[in-house]
Amino acid sequence: SYDLTQPPSMSVSPGQTASITCSGDKLGYKYVCWYQQKPGQSPVLVIYEDNKRPSGIPERFSGSNSGNTATLTISGTQSMDEGDYFCQAWDSSTVVFGGGTKLTVL
Amino acid sequence: QVQLQESGPGLVKPSETLSLACTVSGASISSSSYSCVWIRQPPGKGLEWIGSMYYTGSTFYNPSLKSRVTLSLDTSQNQFSLELSSVTAADTAIYYCARAKGIPAGGNYYMDVWGKGTTVAVSS
Repeated sequence: SYDLTQPPSMSVSPGQTASITCSGDKLGYKYVCWYQQKPGQSPVLVIYEDNKRPSGIPERFSGSNSGNTATLTISGTQSMDEGDYFCQAWDSSTVVFGGGTKLTVL
Repeated sequence: QVQLQESGPGLVKPSETLSLACTVSGASISSSSYSCVWIRQPPGKGLEWIGSMYYTGSTFYNPSLKSRVTLSLDTSQNQFSLELSSVTAADTAIYYCARAKGIPAGGNYYMDVWGKGTTVAVSS
């Protein structure tokens, strides 16, 4: 089975840039998307097809994917960005999620 | 605006079958552009994909759950359903239904609309 690895947690100061990584074998050859989940809420798609933002997602969210690592970047991080972030890819007819990264803004 | 709403019992006994439905409003599930997806999240843990189904009947399953999962569509009700048999405490989770876009053959597949989730506990 295919594995996606994310750091369990990270912290960032308000206004700074947060870079959340997602690693997998030859991940750059796959499309990656990212979800944000706040406590008690369902996940929200923030990036799809590596670097596209759905309507309504702020421009401070961006994505990249190359080699074995995909990265979700949040520029000018705000307190409202605190939450869990999950990467996801499609491999061998299955959906694969990363384990999630808890982002703390402090 | 597309909305999805999960429904079903919040408590299931061990060894029994968990049955959930997802009602879609604002869009038809009879679309070649989308698929219907079930995902679950055990308490305090990450997301686990259960399976996906197109209106054509084409299905994809998580290999670890495939032997216990049945997905179905009811186009007349604009609903899709999940059955998970022989449940144990390990199946206790929040269960989400979602709509997926993209073309799996092309490797791009993502869930753009999610339901609010329904909590299912497995306990006697």
